[in-house]
Amino acid sequence: DTEVTQTPKHLVMGMTNKKSLKCEQHMGHRAMYWYKQKAKKPPELMFVYSYEKLSINESVPSRFSPECPNSSLLNLHLHALQPEDSALYLCASSQILAGKKGETQYFGPGTRLLVL
Amino acid sequence: AQTVTQSQPEMSVQEAETVTLSCTYDTSESDYYLFWYKQPPSRQMILVIRQEAYKQQNATENRFSVNFQKAAKSFSLKISDSQLGDAAMYFCAYRSPPREYGNKLVFGAGTILRVKS
Repeated sequence: DTEVTQTPKHLVMGMTNKKSLKCEQHMGHRAMYWYKQKAKKPPELMFVYSYEKLSINESVPSRFSPECPNSSLLNLHLHALQPEDSALYLCASSQILAGKKGETQYFGPGTRLLVL
Repeated sequence: AQTVTQSQPEMSVQEAETVTLSCTYDTSESDYYLFWYKQPPSRQMILVIRQEAYKQQNATENRFSVNFQKAAKSFSLKISDSQLGDAAMYFCAYRSPPREYGNKLVFGAGTILRVKS
């Protein structure tokens, strides 16, 4: 099973709202990722969690706040977003240090976010 | 820093025919991984095929195969017997050797593949 689930599928929010995106995997992966993707562009890495600790933050604005409550869950808390933050937000997970087998990232279906 | 280049913004192929998507990359590392991901209009990112740099044999997955030329830093994807369901954006991606903090994928700009019936 290589399934990563994300909720909600779609989200519309105002610039003063607070909302959260949720990602879940049950593959025993210990690395989880948030990406932002604009239409017809490649995904841009935002955050990486490894062993439930934030290991990479790609200089993302503080209005995006990630959280990894356990090894299966990853949240992205949103507050005071701007219209330019409207995008597809993708979650992915992978193993860590799997040796020569490598660590393929498996993606969820994404959350389409619209900020009004 | 590693870079990935996909020089074909769009490609078209007739159903049942073969098409090749190009990808080149730049790295100073010797041990790395390369991927092709497919993103259909639903925008779910789907792994198509993976290649380990230390393996000389080209990876294949059913109708999908790669031509991996390590010295030339080239990693093209061949789709045989193209089907309507192959229509999607295809991303080539590079990944460094394993790190304790997880790993970063470097994506190319993508190639839109259109399949004509």
